[in-house]
Amino acid sequence: KNEVEQSPQNLTAQEGEFITINCSYSVGISALHWLQQHPGGGIVSLFMLSSGKKKHGRLIATINIQEKHSSLHITASHPRDSAVYICAVRPQTGANSKLTFGKGITLSVRP
Amino acid sequence: EPEVTQTPSHQVTQMGQEVILRCVPISNHLYFYWYRQILGQKVEFLVSFYNNEISEKSEIFDDQFSVERPDGSNFTLKIRSTKLEDSAMYFCASSVVRENIQYFGAGTRLSVL
Repeated sequence: KNEVEQSPQNLTAQEGEFITINCSYSVGISALHWLQQHPGGGIVSLFMLSSGKKKHGRLIATINIQEKHSSLHITASHPRDSAVYICAVRPQTGANSKLTFGKGITLSVRP
Repeated sequence: EPEVTQTPSHQVTQMGQEVILRCVPISNHLYFYWYRQILGQKVEFLVSFYNNEISEKSEIFDDQFSVERPDGSNFTLKIRSTKLEDSAMYFCASSVVRENIQYFGAGTRLSVL
């Protein structure tokens, strides 16, 4: 059974700080997604990656397939980055299209 | 920018009633998904749909649930006889192909009384 673990569970940062959110998983995957969920509940896809590193604006996502670990970095954090950040993985096996989600990290960025 | 739209944003229903949650996926996408998030819990996969049939479904997706693409744009989730434990946020998502990034709608909050 694929488990997705995220750490830390809650994170508070000061505006401008560099933030790292971690995700680890237990089985081989074909892709990992980072998602952002705002207080209203809507989900926004940030990244999908299967190797290496991706960057979009102030966000950087990295993945280490051998170690079954991914990180999401936020540079120059801002209060508007306050949200729940969720990691989700798609297993490697066959026709499997479903995502398995982590519990998410609640990030609060204080001005 | 194209987006996935879901209606209604909030649905209140009585236990035992049928509900239909509606989604309009992004127009050139071929894979469609429904997910559920019970308050305070993880997002859970319900079902994926491709080429007018269910591609994969989870244990949660029992006979009370069904999905349909009634026309070229809508994708619906029907719950035949709602239970209290069906109260949750339901998210629709779509992707160009299975291996691509999935785009999520804003969700429908279902409250079963």
